[in-house]
Amino acid sequence: DGGITQSPKYLFRKEGQNVTLSCEQNLNHDAMYWYRQDPGQGLRLIYYSQIVNDFQKGDIAEGYSVSREKKESFPLTVTSAQKNPTAFYLCASTRGQGNSGNTIYFGEGSWLTVV
Amino acid sequence: KNEVEQSPQNLTAQEGEFITINCSYSVGISALHWLQQHPGGGIVSLFMLSSGKKKHGRLIATINIQEKHSSLHITASHPRDSAVYICAVPYSGGGADGLTFGKGTHLIIQP
Repeated sequence: DGGITQSPKYLFRKEGQNVTLSCEQNLNHDAMYWYRQDPGQGLRLIYYSQIVNDFQKGDIAEGYSVSREKKESFPLTVTSAQKNPTAFYLCASTRGQGNSGNTIYFGEGSWLTVV
Repeated sequence: KNEVEQSPQNLTAQEGEFITINCSYSVGISALHWLQQHPGGGIVSLFMLSSGKKKHGRLIATINIQEKHSSLHITASHPRDSAVYICAVPYSGGGADGLTFGKGTHLIIQP
């Protein structure tokens, strides 16, 4: 079955470290997204990509970086510049643009904790 | 930017009750999404609708485009319906892609 795979499920980061969250989809979707979820808040957009080798910043891109070298992969790096990285991170994808009435699919998420 | 408000934030009900969750948004949209987030964190899409009503099993979603309002109903609720239900609309900030999400409604169905 097609879907989105995120890894790892749980990740601990030390102060000053960069960590990378993996997101792989086999749905042949063009658009991929990274969202952050904090307690009591709605999901917020970090980065999105509508095509290979292109990506755009979302509302809270500072301290994060992404790449889109392959259609099926959209890894997110949480850099040491992100001052409050502890959160739940969700990767998503849509067949076309997400704001054009396409069903959105999510991965199971990754919990990142700073220790 | 489209603002999304959901109510109630928390809802506890007894098994069998009829459940209604409301969503209001500020900017006209092409489609609205209802999502379900499981206790483990994964999110699944329940409905995407642009007008009228959709039904899937015991779940019913309605939308009123003129009033910028949507409701999600659960008939004959069951403990397995316990989850966070999230409303989302297209992001309307300067041509960017993606969705704007409500904060979610935390539903608990007690046996």
